[in-house]
Amino acid sequence: GQNIDQPTEMTATEGAIVQINCTYQTSGFNGLFWYQQHAGEAPTFLSYNVLDGLEEKGRFSSFLSRSKGYSYLLLKELQMKDSASYLCAVRALSGNTPLVFGKGTRLSVIA
Amino acid sequence: SAVISQKPSRDICQRGTSLTIQCQVDSQVTMMFWYRQQPGQSLTLIATANQGSEATYESGFVIDKFPISRPNLTFSTLTVSNLSPEDSSIYLCSVTGVADTEAFFGQGTRLTVV
Repeated sequence: GQNIDQPTEMTATEGAIVQINCTYQTSGFNGLFWYQQHAGEAPTFLSYNVLDGLEEKGRFSSFLSRSKGYSYLLLKELQMKDSASYLCAVRALSGNTPLVFGKGTRLSVIA
Repeated sequence: SAVISQKPSRDICQRGTSLTIQCQVDSQVTMMFWYRQQPGQSLTLIATANQGSEATYESGFVIDKFPISRPNLTFSTLTVSNLSPEDSSIYLCSVTGVADTEAFFGQGTRLTVV
């Protein structure tokens, strides 16, 4: 089976740094994705990792350790608009195949 | 990147009726994926739509309830049939980017069944 775990909720302060963790157990691995989803909207792509290490993209970074089945999304210089759900998803099969999603982490940024 | 136009963006439907959701992609894609997101939950794959063949459904989803059409490489529809309040969800279509390093979503259809 496929299992992706991430915390349900997190709260962080504006201007701070927050790390959202994701662990996965899937039948295969061909990439890990992070999405941001504001309430009532579709998910927006944030990052993709397929090799171990850190991928940095502006205020957002994503890390992957395949041997540990572990990823995190790091958000720096938090802004109020970063309040959203963050979804971790794994592509278990190669090629043009669907993603398996975690339940999402609802992040609240407070002043 | 791929741009997906999904409609309707929202609808309120009566029990027992059906709703058809359309997704149009601005480029040709082999596979299109349909997901459901129930309130407060994450995305669950309903089926994979491949042009020229029947859709492949995930466990718990059947063709009679969720018929899918895929007439060409840029378009697909998902119908949610015989609606009940439990079908109230957001439905999303998705495609993979050319390099498989991205997956794009339509704007979503928020369905409320009354």
